[in-house]
Amino acid sequence: GQNIDQPTEMTATEGAIVQINCTYQTSGFNGLFWYQQHAGEAPTFLSYNVLDGLEEKGRFSSFLSRSKGYSYLLLKELQMKDSASYLCAVPDSNYQLIWGAGTKLIIKP
Amino acid sequence: IAGITQAPTSQILAAGRRMTLRCTQDMRHNAMYWYRQDLGLGLRLIHYSNTAGTTGKGEVPDGYSVSRANTDDFPLTLASAVPSQTSVYFCASSDSNTGANVLTFGAGSRLTVL
Repeated sequence: GQNIDQPTEMTATEGAIVQINCTYQTSGFNGLFWYQQHAGEAPTFLSYNVLDGLEEKGRFSSFLSRSKGYSYLLLKELQMKDSASYLCAVPDSNYQLIWGAGTKLIIKP
Repeated sequence: IAGITQAPTSQILAAGRRMTLRCTQDMRHNAMYWYRQDLGLGLRLIHYSNTAGTTGKGEVPDGYSVSRANTDDFPLTLASAVPSQTSVYFCASSDSNTGANVLTFGAGSRLTVL
């Protein structure tokens, strides 16, 4: 079966760096996705990793280690608008996404 | 504005009633999805459609039905609502030619079944 684990909640300070971890177990691997969801809003796509290593996109970077079943999302120069839930997801054998419960990130001034 | 429109935004429904959540997209995406989101749980797939005329069951399909008569519309029907179907429902779409799992979501429909 498939399983995805993320911390439930994290707190960080404005201007700092935070790393949000995701571990997964899948029978096959077809990439790992990160989405952002502000409270009361729809999720929006952030990043996709299929190969090992770090993918940088502005203040946000995403890392993948397939051998360890591990990914993280790195957010730099945190802004108050980064307060949101961050969802990790991987495709199942039918290529439909299985989602983690999400990590709620609280940014304090 | 291109995107996905869901209706209604919010609805309170008596148990046993029939309810259809509407979803329309104008991006010509081939694939569409219905998810439910409950506190403390990840998004769970109810039904999906890879192309017009076809549908498939997701993780939690019981009590729900869908149809995909054309590319743009993907309604979700609760034949006889039960309180456990109280949730926020998200419709989403994707273009398998450019990114099968890069989903665009609608704003959500909050459903309360009493």
